[in-house]
Amino acid sequence: DAGVIQSPRHEVTEMGQEVTLRCKPISGHNSLFWYRQTMMRGLELLIYFNNNVPIDDSGMPEDRFSAKMPNASFSTLKIQPSEPRDSAVYFCASTQGWEGSPLHFGNGTRLTVT
Amino acid sequence: GDSVTQMEGPVTLSEEAFLTINCTYTATGYPSLFWYVQYPGEGLQLLLKATKADDKGSNKGFEATYRKETTSFHLEKGSVQVSDSAVYFCARISNNAGNMLTFGGGTRLMVKP
Repeated sequence: DAGVIQSPRHEVTEMGQEVTLRCKPISGHNSLFWYRQTMMRGLELLIYFNNNVPIDDSGMPEDRFSAKMPNASFSTLKIQPSEPRDSAVYFCASTQGWEGSPLHFGNGTRLTVT
Repeated sequence: GDSVTQMEGPVTLSEEAFLTINCTYTATGYPSLFWYVQYPGEGLQLLLKATKADDKGSNKGFEATYRKETTSFHLEKGSVQVSDSAVYFCARISNNAGNMLTFGGGTRLMVKP
């Protein structure tokens, strides 16, 4: 089992550019989460999918952020246009559907917006 | 709403010292409780969990007991190693969704040789 795979590992971009982060969850997992981690705000949940359907996107900061899950094996988080305050580590995590099933995290994408 | 509060770090210990990281949660229902660990440059990974009152989760020498009466799930280890240096997150199941977690703010542990 390869675990949750995120790409790229690092992304450096200029303010105003579009950024797309990618995630491949563990096969058989039907829930997927996007988190953002910063020193100031800690770990924040951005959006949560269940069976490819967005369930809770209340953590998405603003309209510049969007997430999709076109199928069970792929999800994207897009920021357009990016701003320096979006600089953070973005994590994707997946889990099986039963209550209390553990979250499996990817190694994250470190985004730097200059 | 749901919340988890854990002690602020960093916690700095010498090797072989005893570790306690405190964690308390809001007492709505009887949620499953978790400790996750994050090593540098990696995502969080599950360390241990407990699903009901008085359960003790344990892994890699770490333990935590689900205390309903004090709404706590403190993490302990009898003898820490340098390799335990990491950030530790306490978490509970959110009442809004069966497999969504509410995390505490994380506690950084630094173990010196």
